Amino acid sequence: DSGVTQTPKHLITATGQRVTLRCSPRSGDLSVYWYQQSLDQGLQFLIQYYNGEERAKGNILERFSAQQFPDLHSELNLSSLELGDSALYFCASSVLAGELFFGEGSRLTVL
Amino acid sequence: DAKTTQPPSMDCAEGRAANLPCNHSTISGNEYVYWYRQIHSQGPQYIIHGLKNNETNEMASLIITEDRKSSTLILPHATLRDTAVYYCIALAGSQGNLIFGKGTKLSVKP
Repeated sequence: DSGVTQTPKHLITATGQRVTLRCSPRSGDLSVYWYQQSLDQGLQFLIQYYNGEERAKGNILERFSAQQFPDLHSELNLSSLELGDSALYFCASSVLAGELFFGEGSRLTVL
Repeated sequence: DAKTTQPPSMDCAEGRAANLPCNHSTISGNEYVYWYRQIHSQGPQYIIHGLKNNETNEMASLIITEDRKSSTLILPHATLRDTAVYYCIALAGSQGNLIFGKGTKLSVKP
């Protein structure tokens, strides 16, 4: 158990819909990261937040957005969903850059 | 961050040492070598990292060559539960983000 909690674990929705994935970091971790893992793309870094502020952006689509709240939990919002958005979405948290603790992921299926 | 190169797959017999190589010939002086693993569809798990000295923890040992152009992750007594994809990543100290490549799929066989 990494201490990072992600909900929901599984989500099935239709194209064009919008979903929100939630992440609770380990106690005391100020940094939160989001990664996407699809079969053909591997693990892709999406975005990082540090203490509520966006710190770095990776390959995040404009249809996706994220935020980190004052209690340090984070949400990843995915809108206008397409079939290709079906993937595992991982959240991670850290104190030290490079030593990330990953959650178990949210599996999104878009039909 | 420096590019790393790993073999796509390796086999190891249960109980034997698993030695996973990683090339990072363009690594710069402030870049650490990090190792993670991902057991089928679970979240990646941090294993170990180092700068230039060899490192050991309860999971593994990391051997970095003197010129820092390559490293080896050693699992001293591999078990079936060590079957996973292992990722080697070069990352500057307090900057940047972990960029995962394709890694090495390690299969531990009985």
